Amino acid sequence: QAVLTQPSSLSASPGASASLTCTLRSGINVGTYNIYWYQQKPGSPPQYLLRYKSDSDKEQGSGVPSRFSGSKDASANAGILLISGLQSEDEADYYCMIWHSNTWVFGGGTKLTVL
Amino acid sequence: QVQLVQSGAEVKKPGASVKVSCKASGYTFTTYDINWVRQAAGQGLEWMGWMSPKSGDTGYAQKFQGRVTMTRSTSISTAYMELSSLTSEDTAVYYCARNPPNTGNFYDWGQGTLVTVSS
Repeated sequence: QAVLTQPSSLSASPGASASLTCTLRSGINVGTYNIYWYQQKPGSPPQYLLRYKSDSDKEQGSGVPSRFSGSKDASANAGILLISGLQSEDEADYYCMIWHSNTWVFGGGTKLTVL
Repeated sequence: QVQLVQSGAEVKKPGASVKVSCKASGYTFTTYDINWVRQAAGQGLEWMGWMSPKSGDTGYAQKFQGRVTMTRSTSISTAYMELSSLTSEDTAVYYCARNPPNTGNFYDWGQGTLVTVSS
């Protein structure tokens, strides 16, 4: 079982909100981890969005709109990237990442389509 | 402004080695770690390892242990990633990224270097 699991795709309408999940493998407690989120558009390197550990321990990337926010769902053992007020420019691949067993581990990525 | 400029595309034969460079500018090279991440066509991101330009310390993903070497030249603010015993599975775009030590804030990324392994 992969350390981090993300849905492969998600579709949402302009102006709506999208919740992208990053589920940690059973036995790895989401509460103890910083969850990092990256956005990647075709043909470009990834861009740092934000880090989330808790509401009191988080960081927004420089220039990243406040429409992007992080949270956790402890019951699902998952990190969440919430994008509100979706815009066409938000269409991209989104990756979560954690530090686990002395390794940076990426999720498989979610392709977000805004239509 | 901060820039990470990587070397150009490479074509290698199976069994060969490749060395990709990442030249940093716009900040003090030794104050941020350099990580290397690769991405095969249509696939996700795969972390390969990190290096401290300040100390030369490195840490590699288990998958690449014994096959990857990360080095630097502080005099020219350049980091290097060498991967040996190449196979077709190593065909990918390779990125360098800088982060404050002990964080996953990969704030800035190089433009990527396409390495193609083909006979």
